[in-house]
Amino acid sequence: TQLLEQSPQFLSIQEGENLTVYCNSSSVFSSLQWYRQEPGEGPVLLVTVVTGGEVKKLKRLTFQFGDARKDSSLHITAAQPGDTGLYLCAGAKITQGGSEKLVFGKGTKLTVNP
Amino acid sequence: GAVVSQHPSRVICKSGTSVKIECRSLDFQATTMFWYRQFPKQSLMLMATSNEGSKATYEQGVEKDKFLINHASLTLSTLTVTSAHPEDSSFYICSARDPRYSGANVLTFGAGSRLTVL
Repeated sequence: TQLLEQSPQFLSIQEGENLTVYCNSSSVFSSLQWYRQEPGEGPVLLVTVVTGGEVKKLKRLTFQFGDARKDSSLHITAAQPGDTGLYLCAGAKITQGGSEKLVFGKGTKLTVNP
Repeated sequence: GAVVSQHPSRVICKSGTSVKIECRSLDFQATTMFWYRQFPKQSLMLMATSNEGSKATYEQGVEKDKFLINHASLTLSTLTVTSAHPEDSSFYICSARDPRYSGANVLTFGAGSRLTVL
């Protein structure tokens, strides 16, 4: 069972269009992060959201954390070909041993066509 | 910012051999590092948590004798895939938590190591 469900899995749009990627779970997370991964490289952190209802903006990217801290969304305005990549959400959970670990969604493969 | 380096970036080996992958935190000390595995078009699956000076904590279903993890210093963790087989071919990624960043669990990831077992 996937703890974090991302949708859509694949998205192909034209340059200039807007898009939203969703990350949903039945679990509550202490924080949620969004990463972007290029082929053959490790994920790069885009943002961390901690507070329920929090909204963060990073240029044309807007991230929102759900009020119940179970879901999040990533909205991109006026997408550009440089936005192409795999977008991963990751939720932080406390393990039984008391440590914290990240659980990743399957990712959304975004292609922005010029 | 925090930098994590992985080596090698790509390795091809014969079935039955062992392969070691290194993960280094270049500008900070990491008491905890994490090893992930990523199959094509799949997400990152946590394999184990590497703790400096103590045994690694493995996730359910990950064979500790197959994937040996050593975290001998505050800047280096190694993952050794023993007696590798073609099904072990994957993209292995390490990450480390920079203690200079308090609060939320912020990880810095290495660039990954692509293992191909023939």
